[in-house]
Amino acid sequence: GQQVMQIPQYQHVQEGEDFTTYCNSSTTLSNIQWYKQRPGGHPVFLIQLVKSGEVKKQKRLTFQFGEAKKNSSLHITATQTTDVGTYFCLISSGSARQLTFGSGTQLTVLP
Amino acid sequence: DTAVSQTPKYLVTQMGNDKSIKCEQNLGHDTMYWYKQDSKKFLKIMFSYNNKELIINETVPNRFSPKSPDKAHLNLHINSLELGDSAVYFCASSQAGRQPQHFGDGTRLSIL
Repeated sequence: GQQVMQIPQYQHVQEGEDFTTYCNSSTTLSNIQWYKQRPGGHPVFLIQLVKSGEVKKQKRLTFQFGEAKKNSSLHITATQTTDVGTYFCLISSGSARQLTFGSGTQLTVLP
Repeated sequence: DTAVSQTPKYLVTQMGNDKSIKCEQNLGHDTMYWYKQDSKKFLKIMFSYNNKELIINETVPNRFSPKSPDKAHLNLHINSLELGDSAVYFCASSQAGRQPQHFGDGTRLSIL
């Protein structure tokens, strides 16, 4: 089956610092989605990447899809305390049968 | 209106009991899912279902069974609950198999 590695598992940053989480797959992906889960909350969809080399921005968040469609990153510029939570990637390859969440990166932002 | 709603929000029960968690979506989506999130926050897909096909994660014990009375509902029934079933269970829905998913608020299941 498909596997995905997400790193780092934990990240503590000072408010204002940047943050990046990475997802790496062993297989070529059809697409990749990113979700954010606040403490005590449920995952909330952020973005979907489909094309090789795609880059999308949402305010301070930048999402990239690798040229080979095997990896992706989420970068947050100048973190704020509202960015606290766990960020997950969700990968799919082949048919829609194969859906796998990354292990998540728990972000703590220190004021 | 809540897009994906699941009940109950909390479920505390004894080992060996049978329980159900209900999920309803009002988004008109044709695919629904059940996920288990353990204490380490790993999100594992258990089932995905649309009006044509039930896809089961082969690692899920057959004590777990999804039941869909119609396109807007996917309930989760669990037989003979075990201690290791303690987790947060999320229901989700999407327009199609690879489209963005909308999650319910989760059901926190605690087995005594």
